[in-house]
Amino acid sequence: GQQVMQIPQYQHVQEGEDFTTYCNSSTTLSNIQWYKQRPGGHPVFLIQLVKSGEVKKQKRLTFQFGEAKKNSSLHITATQTTDVGTYFCAGQEGYGGSQGNLIFGKGTKLSVKP
Amino acid sequence: NAGVTQTPKFQVLKTGQSMTLQCAQDMNHEYMSWYRQDPGMGLRLIHYSVGAGITDQGEVPNGYNVSRSTTEDFPLRLLSAAPSQTSVYFCASRVNGGALSSPLHFGNGTRLTVT
Repeated sequence: GQQVMQIPQYQHVQEGEDFTTYCNSSTTLSNIQWYKQRPGGHPVFLIQLVKSGEVKKQKRLTFQFGEAKKNSSLHITATQTTDVGTYFCAGQEGYGGSQGNLIFGKGTKLSVKP
Repeated sequence: NAGVTQTPKFQVLKTGQSMTLQCAQDMNHEYMSWYRQDPGMGLRLIHYSVGAGITDQGEVPNGYNVSRSTTEDFPLRLLSAAPSQTSVYFCASRVNGGALSSPLHFGNGTRLTVT
């Protein structure tokens, strides 16, 4: 079945440093979504990428979807303590039925030292 | 709108006990799902439903039952709790239909401990 691998599992950075998490799928994805989960909280939707090679920005966050639609990345520029949390990618393989379900990566837990 | 509401927030069970985790949403979402979150394992899909009267299994369905009698509610039943079911459970819903999955809206979670 479809697998979504995410690395690294943990990342510790000094405030102001950049951070990147990578997501790779074993199959071509129809779209990929990114979620953030604050400590003790629930996952919250950040963004959805659909097109091959797509790049989207949200302030200091840059999201990319690979040309082959099998990989994606989230890059945070100049991290702040408010960025602390676990970032998940979630891929959808197909359209409808069980293939309409999102398969989550295991997440990257980001800690930021002030 | 309250969004997705899960109850209880915390629960402790003894091995062999049964219980139901409640999930309700007021967004008229057709799609509802249950995930469990374990350290280092991410979010794994237990069961999902694309509409009232329709349910299906996800990645880790064993030991759990679901039903969807209304659009709003999607309870998750543990038939005979086992320590391996100690986890944080999230209910999530979204609009169904269309080719692409719309964003999931998560509840606040239920932290379950089975002793």
